[in-house]
Amino acid sequence: AQSVTQPDIHITVSEGASLELRCNYSYGATPYLFWYVQSPGQGLQLLLKYFSGDTLVQGIKGFEAEFKRSQSSFNLRKPSVHWSDAAEYFCAVLLPYNNNDMRFGAGTRLTVKP
Amino acid sequence: NAGVTQTPKFQVLKTGQSMTLQCAQDMNHNSMYWYRQDPGMGLRLIYYSASEGTTDKGEVPNGYNVSRLNKREFSLRLESAAPSQTSVYFCASRQLGGTGVSYEQYFGPGTRLTVT
Repeated sequence: AQSVTQPDIHITVSEGASLELRCNYSYGATPYLFWYVQSPGQGLQLLLKYFSGDTLVQGIKGFEAEFKRSQSSFNLRKPSVHWSDAAEYFCAVLLPYNNNDMRFGAGTRLTVKP
Repeated sequence: NAGVTQTPKFQVLKTGQSMTLQCAQDMNHNSMYWYRQDPGMGLRLIYYSASEGTTDKGEVPNGYNVSRLNKREFSLRLESAAPSQTSVYFCASRQLGGTGVSYEQYFGPGTRLTVT
């Protein structure tokens, strides 16, 4: 079945450590790809997006993501995590045949240890 | 500029009751969306309105109706609430088409609905 997969439900990292959140998709054509962040009790905020071109994209708050077509992946990274990064992170794809239909992964909850 | 606003923030309903969730955006976007968020499932699209006067079903439309009242407002109605509709509901908007095309969706703060 077509899907967006975030394999890690919960990740804990120490403040200052590096972070990588995984995302894989299974759609025939390359969709548009997004990472959103959700703080507790809040709506979603866009971190970054990939449509085409350079496969390494930069986002807000020091995040970056790399698109790898061969692996159908769009992993999110940050070199040094801050306590304020604790939140839930969602990978999302915009379907190539209906650009109103955005599909989300189940989310990865990030805990940051002091 | 408030962005996307939703009312109410919280609601408790009994099974069989009806209610309407309200959403408004002040960004002059032409497309609006309703999602539900359930633990372990991410967000799922209920209905969307690509432009004023049109609405379409998303991934999980059963049990819901929508109205695109005007360009700013998009409401979601539960005619006969069921416990399976306990969820957090998010409204979103974006500009699709015209000179300001953007695939980024802007989200409201959510409505937490409990059906007992």
